[in-house]
Amino acid sequence: QSALAQPASVSGSPGQSISISCTGTGGDIGRYNYISWYQQHPGKAPKLIIFDVDNRPSGVSTRFSGSKSGNTASLTISGLQAEDEADYYCSSFTSFDTDVFGTGTQVTVL
Amino acid sequence: EVQLVQSGAEVKKPGESLRISCKGSGYNFANYWILWVRQMPGKGLEWMGRISPSDSYTIYSPSFQGHVKMTVDKSVTTAYLEWSSLQASDSAMYFCARARGTGRFDPWGLGALVTVSS
Repeated sequence: QSALAQPASVSGSPGQSISISCTGTGGDIGRYNYISWYQQHPGKAPKLIIFDVDNRPSGVSTRFSGSKSGNTASLTISGLQAEDEADYYCSSFTSFDTDVFGTGTQVTVL
Repeated sequence: EVQLVQSGAEVKKPGESLRISCKGSGYNFANYWILWVRQMPGKGLEWMGRISPSDSYTIYSPSFQGHVKMTVDKSVTTAYLEWSSLQASDSAMYFCARARGTGRFDPWGLGALVTVSS
């Protein structure tokens, strides 16, 4: 099971919107809506920010949103803030009854 | 409050055995899987496998099958990740997380740093 493909880095200025793509196959992203996104600050544990493609857990900012088209999922961060600088990982359930993470994207706030 | 508390950092020699733990509280431990994730220094998250506390049913990633063992003791709401013979390449941070059977890992433990060095 290969990792889902994400861009290594994405950057934006405060207040801008950025999007992170997550590309899989017909056996994971293309087949299921069990796609999640996680935010990880340096030295910290990951935190769930989006589940089931486009759902936010209680307490997560509405600036985070998710979507999916075909074999690609996306995370959009609107109104970029300094605190959003972190690593972001997607994950998807797979046809093997496992899950797979993305390669990770480092977000830099300029 | 739902939380997972992991055991502390470990320093071991190659060939030694190790068991790290993940104790759940604040929810019905038997109703959710426990997921294990590896993060090597400066690298991304790797899905190792998950275990069901209700019946100990376990699903491993092919990358980790045969090298680690996941167990659980629901009487003390604790999951374990075990190695019988550590290698230097096992040096990493290991996270546990509560998991639905189809993704959605939340919350996460703080992680346990394992260092294997002669």
